[in-house]
Amino acid sequence: AQKVTQAQTEISVVEKEDVTLDCVYETRDTTYYLFWYKQPPSGELVFLIRRNSFDEQNEISGRYSWNFQKSTSSFNFTITASQVVDSAVYFCALMDNQGGKLIFGQGTELSVKP
Amino acid sequence: SAVISQKPSRDICQRGTSLTIQCQVDSQVTMMFWYRQQPGQSLTLIATANQGSEATYESGFVIDKFPISRPNLTFSTLTVSNLSPEDSSIYLCSVEKVAGDEQYFGPGTRLTVT
Repeated sequence: AQKVTQAQTEISVVEKEDVTLDCVYETRDTTYYLFWYKQPPSGELVFLIRRNSFDEQNEISGRYSWNFQKSTSSFNFTITASQVVDSAVYFCALMDNQGGKLIFGQGTELSVKP
Repeated sequence: SAVISQKPSRDICQRGTSLTIQCQVDSQVTMMFWYRQQPGQSLTLIATANQGSEATYESGFVIDKFPISRPNLTFSTLTVSNLSPEDSSIYLCSVEKVAGDEQYFGPGTRLTVT
C-alpha cells in the first residue's frame, strides 16, 4: 500500500531560522512522483514542486530546497531564513506511476513568528 | 500551470439538501479530480472525473452520494447529495494537463451543513 508520513504535526520557529519539514513515503512502484504543496490560512493549495523517482538531484528554488533520498524513502523540504509569510500547512504527496491520484501526508503546520 | 476557478467559494446548506460545485479551467486538461478536506485534516481523493464517461470513484465514495459530470475538457461538477453535518468540508478540484504531470488545485469550496 502507498503511504505518506509527515511526522511533524506542528513546527514553530522564529523568523530567519532555517526549518526542515520531513516527509517519508512508502510505495512498491519503481516509477512514482513526489509533490509538496503549501496551504496558507486562506485555504488554497499552492503547488511547490514535483519530483519523479528517477531524479534524485536536490532542488533549490530561492529560499526553498528539497532533498530526495530513495535509500531512506524521504523527500524533505527546507526553508532557509524563514519569513512570517511562510506560515502555512505544508503537504507532501505521492503519485503512482499511472498518474492522477495523489496520496497526501497529514500535513505539517509551520508557524513563523516575527 | 492552469487557472482554475470554483463556484461557489463557500456555502451553508441545510441537512438533506444537495450542493453542486462547479470547476472551470482556462485551458483543456486531460485529467480532473475532486478531493475532500475535512476540518483540520489532509486531502482525500473522491473521484477522477472522466470526460464523456462515468467518474472513477475511490473506496468509500459512491456515485449516489457524489455524482460527478465532466462534459468537456475544461469543466466538471461535483454534487454532494443528501447533506449531513459530516459533509462539512472543503471540496477542491484539481487538474493535470497530462497524466503524471504537475497537479494544480482550484481555490476550494467551503461547505458547512447545518
